[in-house]
This record gives sequence, C-alpha cells and structure tokens, in this order.
Amino acid sequence: GAVVSQHPSWVICKSGTSVKIECRSLDFQATTMFWYRQFPKQSLMLMATSNEGSKATYEQGVEKDKFLINHASLTLSTLTVTSAHPEDSSFYICSARDRAGTNEKLFFGSGTQLSVL
Amino acid sequence: SQQGEEDPQALSIQEGENATMNCSYKTSINNLQWYRQNSGRGLVHLILIRSNEREKHSGRLRVTLDTSKKSSSLLITASRAADTASYFCATAGTSGSRLTFGEGTQLTVNP
Repeated sequence: GAVVSQHPSWVICKSGTSVKIECRSLDFQATTMFWYRQFPKQSLMLMATSNEGSKATYEQGVEKDKFLINHASLTLSTLTVTSAHPEDSSFYICSARDRAGTNEKLFFGSGTQLSVL
Repeated sequence: SQQGEEDPQALSIQEGENATMNCSYKTSINNLQWYRQNSGRGLVHLILIRSNEREKHSGRLRVTLDTSKKSSSLLITASRAADTASYFCATAGTSGSRLTFGEGTQLTVNP
C-alpha cells in the first residue's frame, strides 16, 4: 500500500525558532499534499493544500508567512513553522493523494507533535 | 456550519460487542470516507462509499449511506480491544478535491 513518511515524529523547540516538517510519499507520486493541524481530542483542521510546482493554497485564517509550505517534487512537501510560539504547539499531519490512483482516498503521515517552549 | 458531525463523541463497549458510529453532513457529496486514528498517529483509510451506493462491507466493517438524510453510519462487528481508536468520517464534495473531516468518535473497546 501507499506509504507517507513524515518527519520528525516529535520536536521540542524554543520560542522564536523555526521548525521544518517533511512529508514524503515513499512509493507513489503525489501531485497534491495536504497539511492539517489537530488539537487534542479534536478533528483535523485543514491548513493548506500543497500542489507540486506551484504555490500552496491556504485556508482562511492560516498565515502563509507563518506556515511556509514548499512542494518542490512529486514526493516531497515541507511545512516550516517560522518563529514558533507556544500557541503553535500542536499535532501536525500531512496527507497525500496518489497521482496514479483513483485520486479519492488520502494516505496520511504519522504526524508530528510540536512543542514550543 | 460543520460538515461531518459525528455521534456519539465517545463510545465504550466490551470486546465482542458491535460498535455503531454515525456521521451527518450538510452539503452534497461525491463520496464519504471513514478513517481511523490511533492516539498520536496519522489516519488510516478504512472504507469509501460513493453517493450512489447505499451500503458497503469490508471485513468486520459495514458502512451505510443515506443521501436523503445526509447521514452515514459505520458498524464494527465483533469488536476487539485493538479497535480502540478515534474514527472520523470525511466527505468529498461534488466540486472540489478536498476532504472535510468530522469531529470524530472515540471508541474504547474493553477487554
């Protein structure tokens, strides 16, 4: 089955630093990847849609300068949380669509728990 | 308005019992999907049902879809402790490619 690898699994950083999270599709090409944020015991909140070779589409209320998304290849998208603050602490998850598949279901990474001190 | 509202929010049952979770949505859909999330992990796709389908089975899973009521249910039969997880429904609209996730049901299966 399709595998999406997300790294790191968890990261602790100081306030004001930037953190990069990688999302890779290991055995398929993903023209579209999605980034979500999830608070404890809550649903996934879509942050942005990342398309290979073009600018990401951000959801309303998500600061594009704060959450930088780069989708430079068909297998890699990155989310950089710039100048992180404690309120950015959350669980971040990526997902991808298989370019060659039916394009309906999503394959998810295992998530990144970000803690900003 | 919230697309994909689920109930119950939490469900606790004994091993061997059946678990039923419901999902309601507000707009027209192309398909509805169910995902499972173990604590602190990503989501895993379980099953997809299209708008022109009424029922679908996969192993111990049974999904129904009632487009007139804009609702779906997920039934897990003969539950096991390993089924303990959060279950989310997600709807794919007719015009876009994005999925909208419900609030989820936290299922606990006690051994």
